[in-house]
Amino acid sequence: DTGVSQNPRHKITKRGQNVTFRCDPISEHNRLYWYRQTLGQGPEFLTYFQNEAQLEKSRLLSDRFSAERPKGSFSTLEIQRTEQGDSAMYLCASRTSENTEAFFGQGTRLTVV
Amino acid sequence: GENVEQHPSTLSVQEGDSAVIKCTYSDSASNYFPWYKQELGKGPQLIIDIRSNVGEKKDQRIAVTLNKTAKHFSLHITETQPEDSAVYFCAASREGGKLIFGQGTELSVKP
Repeated sequence: DTGVSQNPRHKITKRGQNVTFRCDPISEHNRLYWYRQTLGQGPEFLTYFQNEAQLEKSRLLSDRFSAERPKGSFSTLEIQRTEQGDSAMYLCASRTSENTEAFFGQGTRLTVV
Repeated sequence: GENVEQHPSTLSVQEGDSAVIKCTYSDSASNYFPWYKQELGKGPQLIIDIRSNVGEKKDQRIAVTLNKTAKHFSLHITETQPEDSAVYFCAASREGGKLIFGQGTELSVKP
């Protein structure tokens, strides 16, 4: 296992389309986090899971955003009816619940045109 | 609400000089403070972290200090090298909780 894997690395979509991103965490990590990062800013927390349970969602996560982690392994983040303001880097991180060190993936860069 | 302020936003140093980045946090329940380095087009990479029961931690050329009373922590990089050039983020969290990030510092090390 080489770390947190995110796919795709880049996604260009037209406004109004739906997109889905995938994150594969480090295998023994039971906590998985999603963050959004815009240019020149630090990552902003969106939501996190412990195993398959979604434990917290940011108010940044509008109704158009949904995240799942059905079997407590990989996770998906879906954005419906994309808007230009959704353009950002979407980062996934994972860690064990006993160790607060979080490892990040390379991110998925979304461009909405 | 929870907030982390980071300064400066940009920092330029000569190779071999030291660099210092400072952060303050608002949530007094925070007890874990990591620092991440992010290169262009890549995800953040942890370089050092400190927990609230420790005032200082060092790893080769990198050190972090924490003042819980004042709610601020700092990153110190000594003998800087061109490959240290990147964006650095501080963050704070409660035990097991989400990370709240600062705005980032773009460090440029000139040869």
